[in-house]
Amino acid sequence: SQTIHQWPATLVQPVGSPLSLECTVEGTSNPNLYWYRQAAGRGLQLLFYSVGIGQISSEVPQNLSASRPQDRQFILSSKKLLLSDSGFYLCAWMSGELFFGEGSRLTVL
Amino acid sequence: QKEVEQDPGPLSVPEGAIVSLNCTYSNSAFQYFMWYRQYSRKGPELLMYTYSSGNKEDGRFTAQVDKSSKYISLFIRDSQPSDSATYLCASLKTSYDKVIFGPGTSLSVIP
Repeated sequence: SQTIHQWPATLVQPVGSPLSLECTVEGTSNPNLYWYRQAAGRGLQLLFYSVGIGQISSEVPQNLSASRPQDRQFILSSKKLLLSDSGFYLCAWMSGELFFGEGSRLTVL
Repeated sequence: QKEVEQDPGPLSVPEGAIVSLNCTYSNSAFQYFMWYRQYSRKGPELLMYTYSSGNKEDGRFTAQVDKSSKYISLFIRDSQPSDSATYLCASLKTSYDKVIFGPGTSLSVIP
């Protein structure tokens, strides 16, 4: 069966520090992968999606970037975090239906 | 106008009540509709997935889509405290399209 892993689960970072969140999918090949952000009390905002290695589409202009170095690996990064980057980050993959990982909770202080 | 809208609640009901959760959408090209349940500090999990108009039932849950009015509903029968969560509706145009979510409705079922 297919599973999706995200890490770290929780992190607290100072403003201006870098960020790297990692997501890997098991049990499938060439999945469509997504990064969503959920701010406190708000809905899911699509940040990036990828249909293949090296193919990234950005939905929202921000100081975040995404990369897909391998078929089943999706990374969300930032060079310098802002306070507004705080939130719950969710990786997901699509196979007819959208399946989510457990999320990474980021607090920027 | 947001593509998918939802009353954020919070909604509080007594155990055993029938719960009605609703969404509206603006894009007439949407053909696939989903309901997700999200417990606090967890990733959303898929509850129901429907195509086009009509009803779909799964245990205590019924999803209803009315494309003529662009209205999506989720009914929960015999609600339980374990149903307390945020419920997100979502829509997409094709089965591999970007999924657009509503903001979610927070539900509390009181024992």
